Amino acid sequence: AQSVTQLDSQVPVFEEAPVELRCNYSSSVSVYLFWYVQYPNQGLQLLLKYLSGSTLVKGINGFEAEFNKSQTSFHLRKPSVHISDTAEYFCAVSVRNNQGGKLIFGQGTELSVKP
Amino acid sequence: GAGVSQSPSNKVTEKGKDVELRCDPISGHTALYWYRQSLGQGLEFLIYFQGNSAPDKSGLPSDRFSAERTGGSVSTLTIQRTQQEDSAVYLCASSLGLGGHNEQFFGPGTRLTVL
Repeated sequence: AQSVTQLDSQVPVFEEAPVELRCNYSSSVSVYLFWYVQYPNQGLQLLLKYLSGSTLVKGINGFEAEFNKSQTSFHLRKPSVHISDTAEYFCAVSVRNNQGGKLIFGQGTELSVKP
Repeated sequence: GAGVSQSPSNKVTEKGKDVELRCDPISGHTALYWYRQSLGQGLEFLIYFQGNSAPDKSGLPSDRFSAERTGGSVSTLTIQRTQQEDSAVYLCASSLGLGGHNEQFFGPGTRLTVL
């Protein structure tokens, strides 16, 4: 079975500061990795994904994440956040080579950007 | 183009009543997924469809939950004899095909409240 742990439930940060949202996963088989964002009262939107290749993945809105296989981590970073980045962020995995592709999510990290 | 739509956006029902939640996927998307987002359990997979068939129903929490998809398009999630613990946001997602490498596009969700 797979599991995802997001180490911080809430991350407050000031505008223009850097931020890192941490994600660790557990799986006995290879997985794909994802970060989704959920703005208030909206559905989930894909920020970025790691399927293969370069372990540093760039996504929308200036976010990036690095896949670290040895540490089973996929931390999300942004060098300078904006007020508009305030949202909940979810890390997720799906099993590689599994036909279904269902997503297994972490518990979410609420990012609060303050002026 | 149009994204994934869900109806109703909000549903309040009394304990013991049946409810139906509807999902209209993006046109041409053959895979459709249902997830549930609740305070206690986070984001959980419920079921997915490839065309009209549901190869993986492993996430359905009880036999009170069922889902169908017709014409390879619209899907309905039915909850019979609703309980208070069914209160949650039910999210639908669709993708071009199965497999974790295909991006899942999420709808805005249906917020279900069971009194």
